[in-house]
Amino acid sequence: KQEVTQIPAALSVPEGENLVLNCSFTDSAIYNLQWFRQDPGKGLTSLLLIQSSQREQTSGRLNASLDKSSGRSTLYIAASQPGDSATYLCAVRSSGGSNYKLTFGKGTLLTVNP
Amino acid sequence: NAGVTQTPKFQVLKTGQSMTLQCAQDMNHNSMYWYRQDPGMGLRLIYYSASEGTTDKGEVPNGYNVSRLNKREFSLRLESAAPSQTSVYFCASSFSSAGFAVQPQHFGDGTRLSIL
Repeated sequence: KQEVTQIPAALSVPEGENLVLNCSFTDSAIYNLQWFRQDPGKGLTSLLLIQSSQREQTSGRLNASLDKSSGRSTLYIAASQPGDSATYLCAVRSSGGSNYKLTFGKGTLLTVNP
Repeated sequence: NAGVTQTPKFQVLKTGQSMTLQCAQDMNHNSMYWYRQDPGMGLRLIYYSASEGTTDKGEVPNGYNVSRLNKREFSLRLESAAPSQTSVYFCASSFSSAGFAVQPQHFGDGTRLSIL
């Protein structure tokens, strides 16, 4: 059974700092890994999707990397801003069993202080 | 650009009551999903519909039923609500091809459901 862990559970940083959020998964047989952002009282917004054959994806100040063999992904946020404050979730789509199922981590709550 | 629309946004039910959560997407996606989000548990898949006319159980299907009414709409029904079903429910959709989904899932804003 796939399990996804996100560390740390919460992170508070001053504005302008570069930061890394971590995601690990127990079964390396995945199709892809997706990073989401969730604002309080809102749904999830997809940030980046990395296919299993890719090593990284970039969007603006965000860079996500994937090391499938070690079961790890990182989300790098450059020059953080107060507007980046949210919960960040990673989710993996495993290649075994139901390949429509996303397994989510519990998220990292990020606070960027002005 | 509505994306995924869920109704209602909030609902309070008494134990034993029934209700249907509605979800509609306007992105021409073929796959749709229902999740629940609970504190300390993360998001868990209840049911999904890979394509119009098909539905399958997810991780936590007990106590729920679904209907894929057409390509746009996917509803979730609680036949006899229980306090354990108090949660935030999210509908999502994505484009899938060749038997597996490679595109990002798009989520609605959720339905906050309390069962007393």
